[in-house]
Amino acid sequence: NAGVTQTPKFRILKIGQSMTLQCTQDMNHNYMYWYRQDPGMGLKLIYYSVGAGITDKGEVPNGYNVSRSTTEDFPLRLELAAPSQTSVYFCASRQGQDNQYFGPGTRLTVT
Amino acid sequence: AQSVSQHNHHVILSEAASLELGCNYSYGGTVNLFWYVQYPGQHLQLLLKYFSGDPLVKGIKGFEAEFIKSKFSFNLRKPSVQWSDTAEYFCAVNTKGGGNKLTFGTGTQLKVEL
Repeated sequence: NAGVTQTPKFRILKIGQSMTLQCTQDMNHNYMYWYRQDPGMGLKLIYYSVGAGITDKGEVPNGYNVSRSTTEDFPLRLELAAPSQTSVYFCASRQGQDNQYFGPGTRLTVT
Repeated sequence: AQSVSQHNHHVILSEAASLELGCNYSYGGTVNLFWYVQYPGQHLQLLLKYFSGDPLVKGIKGFEAEFIKSKFSFNLRKPSVQWSDTAEYFCAVNTKGGGNKLTFGTGTQLKVEL
């Protein structure tokens, strides 16, 4: 099992550009999550999904969108990148109440 | 709103010193509690978890944590730290409501010096 994979590992965007962060898990988990991690702030939940076709907003959803067309994939879309979106983004998946499994992260810089 | 507090933001210890990192949560119902570790440049990995039963739980790499319900606490301990324990440590609690979400603390940066 590869677990949770994310691409790309690093990306630099110009203000106003758009991009999609990819996340895939091969553990057949129902729950998937997107977090952003900023220094000293811990992890903030952006969006989550309880299964294919179902998504919901987390704590900091503004400026982001998600879709969940399959159990495996949960891409995160930034439509109009802003400097405030410079962060490290982690995808995670979970089965029931068990622990969350995290991907390796995407380091995004918006300049 | 539910919250998790980690009062120690930065901790510096010498090798072989004992470690205790505090974690308090605000939620009156049944909780599932977790400690995660993030080594430099890596993703979060599970150290240990508490769901029910013995309030003293043991995790990987010699870490343990004690759940004290009356104090809403879940402190992480290790009797003797190693240089390789240098990392950031996050406490998390399952969040009330749908989605099986976790609420994370802001993290404690541990540096172990030789």
